[in-house]
Amino acid sequence: TQLLEQSPQFLSIQEGENLTVYCNSSSVFSSLQWYRQEPGEGPVLLVTVVTGGEVKKLKRLTFQFGDARKDSSLHITAAQPGDTGLYLCAGEMDSSYKLIFGSGTRLLVRP
Amino acid sequence: GAVVSQHPSRVICKSGTSVKIECRSLDFQATTMFWYRQFPKKSLMLMATSNEGSKATYEQGVEKDKFLINHASLTLSTLTVTSAHPEDSSFYICSADGGPGDNEQFFGPGTRLTVL
Repeated sequence: TQLLEQSPQFLSIQEGENLTVYCNSSSVFSSLQWYRQEPGEGPVLLVTVVTGGEVKKLKRLTFQFGDARKDSSLHITAAQPGDTGLYLCAGEMDSSYKLIFGSGTRLLVRP
Repeated sequence: GAVVSQHPSRVICKSGTSVKIECRSLDFQATTMFWYRQFPKKSLMLMATSNEGSKATYEQGVEKDKFLINHASLTLSTLTVTSAHPEDSSFYICSADGGPGDNEQFFGPGTRLTVL
């Protein structure tokens, strides 16, 4: 059973469209991170959210941590082909430094 | 910035042989390193936590005699896949924690293992 469920699993959209990826769990996390991974490479950290209700913006990307620190969302505005990749959320439990990765969302942005 | 390297980036081996993968923190010391496994088009699955100078902690379902981990220094952890079989073929990724007060993990570029 996946501790962190992401939805959708796969998303194919046209350049310029907006999208939201969700990361849900029944567990509470001390922090939650979002990564983007290209094929054949390691994941690259996009953001870390720590406080319940926290919202962080990174250019066209907006990240939100749920009030109860059990869920998170990633919203991309005006998607570009360069946004194509595998998006992964990862939760840290009990400040253990151990990360539990979500099931992943594969995004394809068509020109 | 913090850089983690892995070697080799790709390896092909025959069934029954052992393969060693190295994970190095290049410009910082990492007390703790983590080893993940990733199947095609799937997410990362944590295999074990490697602590410098002590035994690794394996996740449930991961065979410690199959996947030997050694963290002999603050900049190097190794994963040895012993008596490899085709089902061990996968993408193996390591990460290193940034140290006290830094909850960020820095990921390596991964190692593609193919067992024939």
